[in-house]
Amino acid sequence: KQEVTQIPAALSVPEGENLVLNCSFTDSAIYNLQWFRQDPGKGLTSLLLIQSSQREQTSGRLNASLDKSSGRSTLYIAASQPGDSATYLCAAPGARGGGADGLTFGKGTHLIIQP
Amino acid sequence: SAVISQKPSRDICQRGTSLTIQCQVDSQVTMMFWYRQQPGQSLTLIATANQGSEATYESGFVIDKFPISRPNLTFSTLTVSNMSPEDSSIYLCSVGQAGGTEAFFGQGTRLTVV
Repeated sequence: KQEVTQIPAALSVPEGENLVLNCSFTDSAIYNLQWFRQDPGKGLTSLLLIQSSQREQTSGRLNASLDKSSGRSTLYIAASQPGDSATYLCAAPGARGGGADGLTFGKGTHLIIQP
Repeated sequence: SAVISQKPSRDICQRGTSLTIQCQVDSQVTMMFWYRQQPGQSLTLIATANQGSEATYESGFVIDKFPISRPNLTFSTLTVSNMSPEDSSIYLCSVGQAGGTEAFFGQGTRLTVV
């Protein structure tokens, strides 16, 4: 069964800092990994999808890396802004293991960017 | 990308009653997924719904409590039956994921059971 862990659970930093959010997963037989953003009381917004054949993916100030062999992914946020304040979720396929359909989510990193 | 609409966006229900949540997608999809997010927790997969077949439920979730319909390739419903305060959560519909594709989520239904 897939298990996803995110570190840190919470992070509060001043505006302008570069940040690294960490995600680890137990079942490396994944075909992709996805990062989401969730604002309070809202649904999920997809940020980045990294395929298993890729090592990283970039979108604007966001960069996500994937190392299947070590079971790790990182989300790098450059030049953080107050609007980046949200909960960031990492999700890997395999709710039932073996790459089966459905995602297993980490508990998220609650990020606060201080103006 | 896919646009997913969920109804209702929120509801307050009496214990013992049932609520049906609707999920509409703007394109045809093979699989749809239902998740639950309990207060302060992350998302947990409830079931996978394929058009034309019975939904597949994850451990800890049963059809009698969470019956799912999937009448066509753009629509699904999740019913939360015989509700108790422990069912108070956000319920989210999702598409994608299978075969390496990107997953997209609806805005969720915030359910409060009193």
